[in-house]
Amino acid sequence: QVHLVQSGAEVKKPGASVKVSCKASGYTFTAYGISWVRQAPGQGLEWMGWISAYNGYTNYEQKFQGRVTMTTDTSTSTAYMELRSLRSDDTAVYSCARDLARTPLESNAFDIWGQGTMVTVSS
Amino acid sequence: DIQMTQSPSSLSASVGDRVTISCRANQSISAYHLHWYQHKPGKAPKLLIYAASSLQSGVPSRFSGSASGTDFTLTINSLQPEDFATYYCQQKTFGPGTKVDIK
Repeated sequence: QVHLVQSGAEVKKPGASVKVSCKASGYTFTAYGISWVRQAPGQGLEWMGWISAYNGYTNYEQKFQGRVTMTTDTSTSTAYMELRSLRSDDTAVYSCARDLARTPLESNAFDIWGQGTMVTVSS
Repeated sequence: DIQMTQSPSSLSASVGDRVTISCRANQSISAYHLHWYQHKPGKAPKLLIYAASSLQSGVPSRFSGSASGTDFTLTINSLQPEDFATYYCQQKTFGPGTKVDIK
């Protein structure tokens, strides 16, 4: 079975950084990409960016450029998302999703999702 | 940047109804890049339709998608109790969502 298992909930102070992990199993990790999506309380889904597990190529939503870094460790089939300079409006559930796009030319569709990681930013 | 809009933002419907949700991009996009998701509170979103009109494996056939230029439509034929949820279109970024609740 295909699974994405994320790290646990985090509480951070404003200005800090958070790094969320997403461990894949049940499929060839490098055959797909990973996208990160967040949902703030009462809000809709927000795409943050994509990383190719094939070659590490990234594409970040402009809003997060300079503040987010997405990486992968192919030896452990794990993807990571680090968000820096946290603000209270970064409080959200952060989810990884298996992205059918392995290269920038392919379409980003998300067929398998992690369970979500709650990140709370509060002083 | 490509912006997606959806209409309506919410609707009330009864079991058995036919429901249509519209999604529009602010510039031309390929149907290949437009997908639809169902999202229920506390659950992971579920891919329903990819590439505008292809039914994801395991999704009931009452769900269908279509495209016409920059306009995309999700149709649910004969709404079932488990279909009450929020629906999002997505082309990298997501539309604002359409909440379908019980009339």
